[in-house]
Amino acid sequence: DAGVTQSPTHLIKTRGQQVTLRCSPKSGHDTVSWYQQALGQGPQFIFQYYEEEERQRGNFPDRFSGHQFPNYSSELNVNALLLGDSALYLCASSYTGGRAGRSYEQYFGPGTRLTVT
Amino acid sequence: AQSVTQPDIHITVSEGASLELRCNYSYGATPYLFWYVQSPGQGLQLLLKYFSGDTLVQGIKGFEAEFKRSQSSFNLRKPSVHWSDAAEYFCAVGPYGGATNKLIFGTGTLLAVQP
Repeated sequence: DAGVTQSPTHLIKTRGQQVTLRCSPKSGHDTVSWYQQALGQGPQFIFQYYEEEERQRGNFPDRFSGHQFPNYSSELNVNALLLGDSALYLCASSYTGGRAGRSYEQYFGPGTRLTVT
Repeated sequence: AQSVTQPDIHITVSEGASLELRCNYSYGATPYLFWYVQSPGQGLQLLLKYFSGDTLVQGIKGFEAEFKRSQSSFNLRKPSVHWSDAAEYFCAVGPYGGATNKLIFGTGTLLAVQP
């Protein structure tokens, strides 16, 4: 059973460019959350997707956007990259489904290391 | 405001010694509490969780944590540390019964293990 997978592993971009990160959730999971982890910090919640819609958003600018596909995989897009966007981007998946089957546990992928120069 | 505080940025223990990592939280509702571990260059692995019931919870790799509502704490413990436990540890809090399971993390405690 594959866990949460993310691609690419590493990425180097220049200020002002745009980037797309990808995530495939753990088998059986239908909800994807994205977190940003700056060096020496804990992960910060960016947003969460369920049923192809953004369900909740953290304190991040509109430059950060996302998408969830019918197969539950997800993309994180960041436009107009800033040096401060350099971080490890973590994807986490969980199961929402019907209320009785809801799981509050999130399983994390290995992350994508984004460096903006 | 919702927050998680991990007072110890860096802890060094000797192999075989006991370990306690502190975590305090501020949350307006009944929380779910988690401990995650992150090895260098890796994602987060769930060590244990507390939802309700017995306030002493057991996790993987011999870790346990105790929820103390009166102190708003959820400290992580291990009776005997192994060299492979060297990593960064994050405490996190999530909503009980909320619409989403967004997690709020502390800033982490980096554990070093001396031989």
